[in-house]
Amino acid sequence: QSALTQPASVSGSPGQSITISCTGTSSDVGNNNLVSWYQQHPGKAPKLMIYEAFYRPSGVSNRFSGSKSGNTASLTISGLQAEDEADYYCCSYVRTPYVFGTGTKVTVL
Amino acid sequence: QVQLVQSGAEVKKPGASVKVSCQASGYTFKSYGINWVRQAPGQGLEWMGWISGYNGNTNYAQKFQGRVTMTADTSTSTAYLELRSLRSDDTAMYYCARDLDPYSGSLGYWGQGTLVTVSS
Repeated sequence: QSALTQPASVSGSPGQSITISCTGTSSDVGNNNLVSWYQQHPGKAPKLMIYEAFYRPSGVSNRFSGSKSGNTASLTISGLQAEDEADYYCCSYVRTPYVFGTGTKVTVL
Repeated sequence: QVQLVQSGAEVKKPGASVKVSCQASGYTFKSYGINWVRQAPGQGLEWMGWISGYNGNTNYAQKFQGRVTMTADTSTSTAYLELRSLRSDDTAMYYCARDLDPYSGSLGYWGQGTLVTVSS
């Protein structure tokens, strides 16, 4: 199973909105809505930010939102803040579970 | 609250084996599976496999078949990852992670990670 494709980096100024894409195939991202997103700060464990493509776990800021269309899922961060600077990974759950994306480094300018 | 606490860092020689533990608390261990995910230095996340907390059934990523064994001790709510025939490219941070729930296909809780270094 190949890794899902994400842009290597995305940047934005404080207060702006950015969107990270996650492109797979009809066998993974396009197969169901079991797409999740993880935030990882340097030296820390990943943190779940979005599950089932659209839903935020309790405690995650509503500045984070997820969407999906066909074989591409997206994570949007609104009102970008300095603390959002981190690596972000998408993930698809299929019959051979948990295929991760290549990762995106978000930089707050 | 759900907590996953992993064992400490390990340094191993090529060809050796390593066993990492992940002790769970704050929930009923048998009700959820535990996944193992690794991350090589400067690289992305890689799913290694899953073990059921209920009956010990496993599902390993094809890449690790034959070299990995995942076990679970329900009496201590602890999951274990054993990786054999270590190579230098097995040097990575190893995380255990619990499913958020049985249906969402997401990893809601993570251990702090265990650094495994393979070096001669």
